[in-house]
Amino acid sequence: GQNIDQPTEMTATEGAIVQINCTYQTSGFNGLFWYQQHAGEAPTFLSYNVLDGLEEKGRFSSFLSRSKGYSYLLLKELQMKDSASYLCAAALNDYKLSFGAGTTVTVRA
Amino acid sequence: DAGVIQSPRHEVTEMGQEVTLRCKPISGHDYLFWYRQTMMRGLELLIYFNNNVPIDDSGMPEDRFSAKMPNASFSTLKIQPSEPRDSAVYFCASSPTSGGARETQYFGPGTRLLVL
Repeated sequence: GQNIDQPTEMTATEGAIVQINCTYQTSGFNGLFWYQQHAGEAPTFLSYNVLDGLEEKGRFSSFLSRSKGYSYLLLKELQMKDSASYLCAAALNDYKLSFGAGTTVTVRA
Repeated sequence: DAGVIQSPRHEVTEMGQEVTLRCKPISGHDYLFWYRQTMMRGLELLIYFNNNVPIDDSGMPEDRFSAKMPNASFSTLKIQPSEPRDSAVYFCASSPTSGGARETQYFGPGTRLLVL
């Protein structure tokens, strides 16, 4: 089976940095996706890592360690609009994604 | 591009009724995925298609659920008969083939189903 773990909730202040960790154990692995989902909306793509290391994209960065089965999403200079659920998803060998339960991030003024 | 289109956006029905959810993938995308999202179980893959052919339906909860893709631009997910525990948000997503399993999936807006 597939096991994707991430914290349920995180709270941070506007302008701060938050790091969302994700650990995974899967049968087959083709990379790690992060999706953002605002309340009542569809998940939207944020980042994809297949090689070890850090990928930076504006205020958002994502890191992957394949040997440790670990990834994190780093959100910098938090804005109120960043309040959302962040989904970690492992790409399996057969075009499927296995999603974690999601981390709800609340940004406070 | 219009993105993935789903209809209806909201559906309220009574237990025992048939429910049909519809999806139009992004033009040119060869993969289509149906997901269900609930607070308890998160986002679960129900079934996916490649070139209109069902590839993996291991996530379909039971025989009451069926999905079809008669052509490249249309898919349906049917629940018959519906039960209150089927209440959830159902998402359709599509992706192109070129990058394989690494391709981003693009999600539709979802159908919020409530079975009374």
